[in-house]
Amino acid sequence: EAGVTQSPTHLIKTRGQQATLRCSPISGHTSVYWYQQALGLGLQFLLWYDEGEERNRGNFPPRFSGRQFPNYSSELNVNALELEDSALYLCASSLDGDSNQPQHFGDGTRLSIL
Amino acid sequence: GDSVTQMEGPVTLSEEAFLTINCTYTATGYPSLFWYVQYPGEGLQLLLKATKADDKGSNKGFEATYRKETTSFHLEKGSVQVSDSAVYFCAPRGAGGTSYGKLTFGQGTILTVHP
Repeated sequence: EAGVTQSPTHLIKTRGQQATLRCSPISGHTSVYWYQQALGLGLQFLLWYDEGEERNRGNFPPRFSGRQFPNYSSELNVNALELEDSALYLCASSLDGDSNQPQHFGDGTRLSIL
Repeated sequence: GDSVTQMEGPVTLSEEAFLTINCTYTATGYPSLFWYVQYPGEGLQLLLKATKADDKGSNKGFEATYRKETTSFHLEKGSVQVSDSAVYFCAPRGAGGTSYGKLTFGQGTILTVHP
C-alpha cells in the first residue's frame, strides 16, 4: 500500500512569490492535514480537510490556504512568500475525521525562500 | 491551547537498558494520545496510540498508558536496541475547540543507544 506522497520534494522560491505544494493521501483516507516544521519551532498545525471541507485551521496568516479535491488529494498554497516561510511542510492523512484514527505522514516538501 | 512537555534529551543508553521518556500534556476535552518516531533519514512514523483512559498502547516492545488523572503518557521499553536510536514525539490529538483534529507535538526526545 502506498503511503502519503508529497510533491515536489524541494521547492525554491523568492520573496513575494507564490508556492503550491501537493499531497496524495493513503488510498481510502478522506482526511488530510498540513503541518509546518520550521527550524527551532517544531511541528505546527496548519490545516485540516475532511471530505472536501476545511475542518480546522492553525494560527497562520490568511496567505496560507489550501483545498481538498474530490479524489481527496490536497494542495497547500502560500502567497506572498516571506523568508520565515522556509520550512519542511508535512502532509498527513487519516482514514476519516474520527479522533481515534492516527495520522500517517508523508516525507514532506522542503520550501526554501531566497 | 494544547501543549506537550517531553523529557529533555538527548537520552543516551546502553543496549538492553530500560527506557522511559516522560510526556505530560494539557488538552481541551478528551484527546487521543499518540507516540511518533523518526528514525535517522526517515519520516515520522506512528509508534503507538491510546484513545481512552487506562488504555495501554504497545508496538515493537514499546508501551505507554493513558493516565487521565495525571495527564501523562510516558513511553517505556524494557530492553532497548541500537536500532531504537531515533527521535520520539508525544502528540495528543485535540478533541474540540481550536485544537479539534490537530496533533500537538512535543519538542521531541533524541534517543541514542550504544552497543
